[in-house]
Amino acid sequence: GAVVSQHPSRVICKSGTSVKIECRSLDFQATTMFWYRQFPKQSLMLMATSNEGSKATYEQGVEKDKFLINHASLTLSTLTVTSAHPEDSSFYICSARARTGTSYEQYFGPGTRLTVT
Amino acid sequence: LAKTTQPISMDSYEGQEVNITCSHNNIATNDYITWYQQFPSQGPRFIIQGYKTKVTNEVASLFIPADRKSSTLSLPRVSLSDTAVYYCLVGSFYGGATNKLIFGTGTLLAVQP
Repeated sequence: GAVVSQHPSRVICKSGTSVKIECRSLDFQATTMFWYRQFPKQSLMLMATSNEGSKATYEQGVEKDKFLINHASLTLSTLTVTSAHPEDSSFYICSARARTGTSYEQYFGPGTRLTVT
Repeated sequence: LAKTTQPISMDSYEGQEVNITCSHNNIATNDYITWYQQFPSQGPRFIIQGYKTKVTNEVASLFIPADRKSSTLSLPRVSLSDTAVYYCLVGSFYGGATNKLIFGTGTLLAVQP
C-alpha cells in the first residue's frame, strides 16, 4: 500500500509556543489530506480536511486559528498548533487519499505525539 | 455520513478464525466499506476495502451482503500480533472535501495464547 510519513514522531514544547507537524505522501500524489487527533484510549477524531491549493475545511468545534493547516503541494500538508497549551497534548495523525484504479484508498501516517508542558 | 456500530471488544485464541461484524444501516449508494487496524501509538493500517459481495486479500476477507447494511471482517488463523483495535468505516471518496472517513469506537480484539 501507499506510504504516508509524518515528522516529527514526537515533540515536547512549552506552553505558549507553536509546533509544526509535517505530513507527506511518499509514493503517490494526494489531492486530499486529513488531520485527526486521538486522545488515550479513544477513537480518532477528525479535525480538518484539506485539498491541495485551497483552504482547509474544519470540523465543528475545531479552532481554525489555533490549528493552522497548509496543503501547499500534492505530497505535503502541514499542521501548526499555535500557542499550544497542555490540553493540546495528544496524538496527531494525518491521512492521505490515493487513487487506486476506479476507486480510492485512504492511508494514515504513523502519528505525532505532542506533549505540551 | 453513515454511522457504524461494532462490538466494543472480542476475545480469541491463537490459530482461530475471527469474524468482526459492523452494522451500517444508512449506508449510501456511493459509500465504500473500509477496515483499518490500529496498534497503540501508531497510525491506523489499511486492511481491506469493498463495495459489495466478497473481497479477499493476503491478510483478510470482507463479506458484504446484498443490502450492504452490514459487513464482516474475517481474519484467518489469528496470532498474538493481531491483538489491536479494528475500525470499520463507511464513506464515499467522491465529491472532494465533503466526503471524509469518520471513526467509530472500533473493536478491541484480544488474542490469547
